[in-house]
Amino acid sequence: GAGVSQSPSNKVTEKGKDVELRCDPISGHTALYWYRQSLGQGLEFLIYFQGNSAPDKSGLPSDRFSAERTGGSVSTLTIQRTQQEDSAVYLCASSLDGLAGVAAYNEQFFGPGTRLTVL
Amino acid sequence: QKEVEQNSGPLSVPEGAIASLNCTYSDRGSQSFFWYRQYSGKSPELIMSIYSNGDKEDGRFTAQLNKASQYVSLLIRDSQPSDSATYLCAVPAYSSASKIIFGSGTRLSIRP
Repeated sequence: GAGVSQSPSNKVTEKGKDVELRCDPISGHTALYWYRQSLGQGLEFLIYFQGNSAPDKSGLPSDRFSAERTGGSVSTLTIQRTQQEDSAVYLCASSLDGLAGVAAYNEQFFGPGTRLTVL
Repeated sequence: QKEVEQNSGPLSVPEGAIASLNCTYSDRGSQSFFWYRQYSGKSPELIMSIYSNGDKEDGRFTAQLNKASQYVSLLIRDSQPSDSATYLCAVPAYSSASKIIFGSGTRLSIRP
């Protein structure tokens, strides 16, 4: 079936504006993850959803960042009052069921990412 | 100590040789381990999963797991220029098996 999709693929915005990034996980995947990757850097965990709830929001860098997931499917990551340091690639991943205790269910599959540039 | 550690490289290997990538982890209770490949400008792609001690082979790739020593490695046989990428090791966090901790990655360069 279709993989993880993200939109937009590229977003250029001005400092202080709000942006919304969207993620469509693989159909049937109950776990959804958001990461951030700055140029030449590793993956930075932001938030994890199991269904519509977010048991782990520990990676959100500030209260300007929020995320929601509706219908156990699509997720939106919102960044308010964007700053230049928010410029990065935002990656979404999904897995079958992070809580099932079955190791293979933790395999995460990534979307193509959204490249955010804050001017 | 970082939870997942990798040598950042770059690791330069001649074409046709074996590339060996290593990863150590801190949580003795970890049960599953993943290797991702990330080409420049692209998102990570899962290439290997391993859940038990020993070797797991898939084509030119072999993952090796040693839980006693807390390391996992990835061998790439007959390295090709197309293998040039950053390889990320990933291990579930002890606090939450559903949260995966990624290493910072090893940059591999295959020279013709």
